[in-house]
Amino acid sequence: QVQLVESGGGVVQPGTSLRLSCAPSGFTFSSYGMHWVRQAPGKGLEWLAVMWFDGSDKFYADSVKGRFTISRDNSKNTLYLQMNSLRAEDTAVYFCARGLRGLDVWGQGTTVTVSS
Amino acid sequence: DVVMTQSPLSLPVTLGQPASISCRSSQSLVYSDGNTYLNWFQQRPGQSPRRLIYKVSNRDSGVPDRFSGSGSGTDFTLKISRVEAEDVGVYYCMQGTHWPGTFGQGTKVEIK
Repeated sequence: QVQLVESGGGVVQPGTSLRLSCAPSGFTFSSYGMHWVRQAPGKGLEWLAVMWFDGSDKFYADSVKGRFTISRDNSKNTLYLQMNSLRAEDTAVYFCARGLRGLDVWGQGTTVTVSS
Repeated sequence: DVVMTQSPLSLPVTLGQPASISCRSSQSLVYSDGNTYLNWFQQRPGQSPRRLIYKVSNRDSGVPDRFSGSGSGTDFTLKISRVEAEDVGVYYCMQGTHWPGTFGQGTKVEIK
């Protein structure tokens, strides 16, 4: 069964860091581009970042460029999102999704709350 | 960045009636490989998004055939031929042609 499971969310203070993980199963992770997408409470979907299947290229939304870093370890079958200098407006459910240009499989999301 | 504009943002529909959502992009979504990477997603209340349509008009496996996508260039449409109760939720278009990727604002479909 093709599945993505995010983890690492929690409640953190402004200015701190957090690393999210995304664990795939049921498919060959190293063959797929992967994305991070977030959804603030009551808001729409916001695309954050993409990484090529082999890590050779990546792109970011302007809202997180310079603060967030997408990475992957194909030997460990894991996608990561390192989030630094967190702000209240980063409070959201964070999803990982599979597929370079199509996002055909999504995880259930992990919740990040940035609050003092 | 490519701006994706959906309309309407709210769509009350009678059960069994058709529904149509428009999505317009600020620039052409035709990629250098000739494909147009325009996707449609459904997000039911309390659930993760689910892809319905990819590359403008290709239905994902398990998606009912009452859902269809059409369009080209910068102008795209998602149609539901006969709305059912399980279709309630928010629908998003998203372009994967240009980076950064961008979503539309979402269209909330509800039953009248």
